[in-house]
Amino acid sequence: EVQLVQSGAEVKNPGASVKISCKISGYTFTGYYMHWVQQAPGKGLEWMGLVDPEDGEAIYAEKFQGRVTITADTSTDTAYMELSSLKSDDTAVYYCATGRPPPVLVAGATEYFDPWGQGTLVTVSS
Amino acid sequence: EIVLKQSPGTLSLSPGERATLSCRASQSVSRNFLAWYHQKPGQAPSLLIYGASNRATGIPDRFSGSGSGTDFTLTISRLEPEDFAVYYCQQYGSSPGTFGQGTKVEIK
Repeated sequence: EVQLVQSGAEVKNPGASVKISCKISGYTFTGYYMHWVQQAPGKGLEWMGLVDPEDGEAIYAEKFQGRVTITADTSTDTAYMELSSLKSDDTAVYYCATGRPPPVLVAGATEYFDPWGQGTLVTVSS
Repeated sequence: EIVLKQSPGTLSLSPGERATLSCRASQSVSRNFLAWYHQKPGQAPSLLIYGASNRATGIPDRFSGSGSGTDFTLTISRLEPEDFAVYYCQQYGSSPGTFGQGTKVEIK
């Protein structure tokens, strides 16, 4: 069974950093990109970025560029998302999700997500 | 980036009724690379449909997706109690992938 298990809830002060983990099982970690998605309270879903576990290359959404770092540790089949310079707007649930590529290669296309981790709530408050 | 607008914002229906959810894109979605997810309270989103009309593994056939270009539809033929949730569409035909704002299907 494919599973993504994320680390627990965090409470951070403004200006601090947070690092969330996502450990996979049930498939070959290096075979699929790992994505991260933010969901602010009562809001929708926003893609943050992805990592290719095979070579560690990461791509970030413009909104989070410069503040987010996504990495992968192939020795433990775990992906990480670190968000720095936290502000109250960053209070959200953060999900990791396995990327599924389309069946045909199309320039510029990205991936849909299946499955998702259970989510990690990050609260930024002084 | 492609903006997805979902309608209606909230759909109030009774179990057994048919639900029709719309997702409209600001520009054509390449190769109809559109997915649908549902999210129950306190849970992570879960994949229902990919490629506009392909059901994910284990998804019952009361869920169907259709559409092309800029207009897509998710239909739930007969609502079961477990179907009351929030539904999101996502386009992955061009980077960055983007989500609609969601449609909440609530019990009438």
